[in-house]
Amino acid sequence: DGGITQSPKYLFRKEGQNVTLSCEQNLNHDAMYWYRQDPGQGLRLIYYSQIVNDFQKGDIAEGYSVSREKKESFPLTVTSAQKNPTAFYLCASSMGGGPGQVDSYEQYFGPGTRLTVT
Amino acid sequence: KNQVEQSPQSLIILEGKNCTLQCNYTVSPFSNLRWYKQDTGRGPVSLTIMTFSENTKSNGRYTATLDADTKQSSLHITASQLSDSASYICVVKGPTSGTYKYIFGTGTRLKVLA
Repeated sequence: DGGITQSPKYLFRKEGQNVTLSCEQNLNHDAMYWYRQDPGQGLRLIYYSQIVNDFQKGDIAEGYSVSREKKESFPLTVTSAQKNPTAFYLCASSMGGGPGQVDSYEQYFGPGTRLTVT
Repeated sequence: KNQVEQSPQSLIILEGKNCTLQCNYTVSPFSNLRWYKQDTGRGPVSLTIMTFSENTKSNGRYTATLDADTKQSSLHITASQLSDSASYICVVKGPTSGTYKYIFGTGTRLKVLA
C-alpha cells in the first residue's frame, strides 16, 4: 500500500522541549517537503529536500531543523527556538521538481501531525 | 506581491446542487495552478493541475477552468455530495525572485447539507 505517512497524529509537548515529527514515504519520490498550516492562513513551506543528503530552507525555517539521510524519510524537529510551534504540520512528497524548478509534478500529502505546545 | 486569493471564504449548499469556487492570483508568470481538497484534520489531496496553456481540466464531478489572461481560475463541483464537504485550496506555482515557489490560497470551506 503506497503512500506517505506521518506520526504521531497528535503530539503534546511542554514549552522549551524539542520534538521530532516523523514523515515516511514508499512512493520512491525524490522530493519531500514540510509545511505548516495555521487557521486562516495558506500552507507555508518550512523546509524541502530534492535529493538525499540535501535540503533547503523554505519561507519559515527559523526554529526548525530537518535531515534527509534516507530517500524514504524526512523528519522535522521543532526546536525550543520556534516561538509559536502549535500548528498542524503536513509532510508531502513528489516525484521530482519542487521550489526552484518549473514543473507539474503532483505533490502527495501525508495525513498531518497536530502539535500542541503548552 | 505574488498572491492567491480565494472566494468565497465559506459556502453552504444543499446536496445535489452545483457550486463554483473562485481563485484569483497575481503571480506572473506562472508555471501551473493546482486545486486540492482537504478534509478536516487531513492532508490535502490533489484534484487537478493545469499549466498556463490549459483552459479546462476535469476529475469526475470536479472541473477546473483557467483564464491566464485575467489570472482567474474556478473549480466547479457538479451534483454535490455530502462527502464534498471540505476545504478547497488553490495553489499557484510561480517565480519569486528568480526561483519558483508554491503560493497557497487560504481556501474555501464548503459545507454540503442533506
